[in-house]
Amino acid sequence: GQQVMQIPQYQHVQEGEDFTTYCNSSTTLSNIQWYKQRPGGHPVFLIQLVKSGEVKKQKRLTFQFGEAKKNSSLHITATQTTDVGTYFCAGHNYGQNFVFGPGTRLSVLP
Amino acid sequence: EAGVAQSPRYKIIEKRQSVAFWCNPISGHATLYWYQQILGQGPKLLIQFQNNGVVDDSQLPKDRFSAERLKGVDSTLKIQPAKLEDSAVYLCASSLEGVNYGYTFGSGTRLTVV
Repeated sequence: GQQVMQIPQYQHVQEGEDFTTYCNSSTTLSNIQWYKQRPGGHPVFLIQLVKSGEVKKQKRLTFQFGEAKKNSSLHITATQTTDVGTYFCAGHNYGQNFVFGPGTRLSVLP
Repeated sequence: EAGVAQSPRYKIIEKRQSVAFWCNPISGHATLYWYQQILGQGPKLLIQFQNNGVVDDSQLPKDRFSAERLKGVDSTLKIQPAKLEDSAVYLCASSLEGVNYGYTFGSGTRLTVV
């Protein structure tokens, strides 16, 4: 079945540093979504990418979908303490449901 | 708009007991999902409803888990009998119909089986 992996598992950064998490699928995806889960909270939808090579930005967050539609990345510029949480990608394969990756847990040291 | 409502927030039961969780999705969201999230892992889909019909229950352990969405609105998920490995957060999510919409998750029910 479809597998979605994320690296790194954990990332500790100093406030103001950049952060990137990578998402890789074992199969070609039709689209991919990103979610953020604060400690003790529930996943919150951030964005969806559909097109090959697509790049979308939300303030300090940049999301990219790979040309082959098998990988994606989330980059945060100049992290803030409010960015703390676990970032999940969820990949969708044609005719199937979204499969969530294991997440990357980000901690930001002030 | 009101979010996805779930209850209870927390539940502690002994193994072999039964438990039920309730979810009320966002009004107008035809699709409802139940996810299991074990500590430190990503959410795992248990079952997906489209209105009151089951679309995908391939990962639902049907010998002990059951779910229903009788009127196409709110839903219940039941575990009977519970096992220690069922300890997790059970998340309900809803979305508009189709694959182009993000999911809105509820706050979840944290289940501890002792």
